[in-house]
Amino acid sequence: DTGVSQNPRHKITKRGQNVTFRCDPISEHNRLYWYRQTLGQGPEFLTYFQNEAQLEKSRLLSDRFSAERPKGSFSTLEIQRTEQGDSAMYLCASSLQRDTQAFFGQGTRLTVV
Amino acid sequence: GEDVEQSLFLSVREGDSSVINCTYTDSSSTYLYWYKQEPGAGLQLLTYIFSNMDMKQDQRLTVLLNKKDKHLSLRIADTQTGDSAIYFCAENGDDKIIFGKGTRLHILP
Repeated sequence: DTGVSQNPRHKITKRGQNVTFRCDPISEHNRLYWYRQTLGQGPEFLTYFQNEAQLEKSRLLSDRFSAERPKGSFSTLEIQRTEQGDSAMYLCASSLQRDTQAFFGQGTRLTVV
Repeated sequence: GEDVEQSLFLSVREGDSSVINCTYTDSSSTYLYWYKQEPGAGLQLLTYIFSNMDMKQDQRLTVLLNKKDKHLSLRIADTQTGDSAIYFCAENGDDKIIFGKGTRLHILP
């Protein structure tokens, strides 16, 4: 197992376009988390899944953001009508279950121009 | 609410010990973590401690936990230039990991 994998690593998009990121967690990890990190800040929680169920969404996750984990394995994060303020590093993490270590992917860096 | 606080900047001379401090609010946290992030890189789990432990040592790293005061520290012995990075303290309260803003460790020659 090579760890948590995120694709793409970098994405540049024009304002108003839609983008989708993918996260492949460590196999057999039930929990999957999405975070956003902007310059000079720590990662901020966006949402998490227990298997295919999305259990919590942060108020940071506006209605332009949607996340799915259809089969309880990989997850996608879509941002519709991107804005410049969406520029950030989007991090995915997975853990075996609650209260176990979470492992992070390398992140997808989004730049909205 | 959940909150993790840490100082933003620390300068240490090469070869000295670095001590990075953190306070957290969620007393139900099972794990407390230290992550390292180098420029342009992802988050690397450096070490962690169970909430029922007071101390954990791993080579040059020592983690101290004062659960009563909700205070966590990371000591790096014999600090090297390769230790230059941002260090994030984090807790896993309430089903998700909450991070501090990070402490940038700067190594002086």
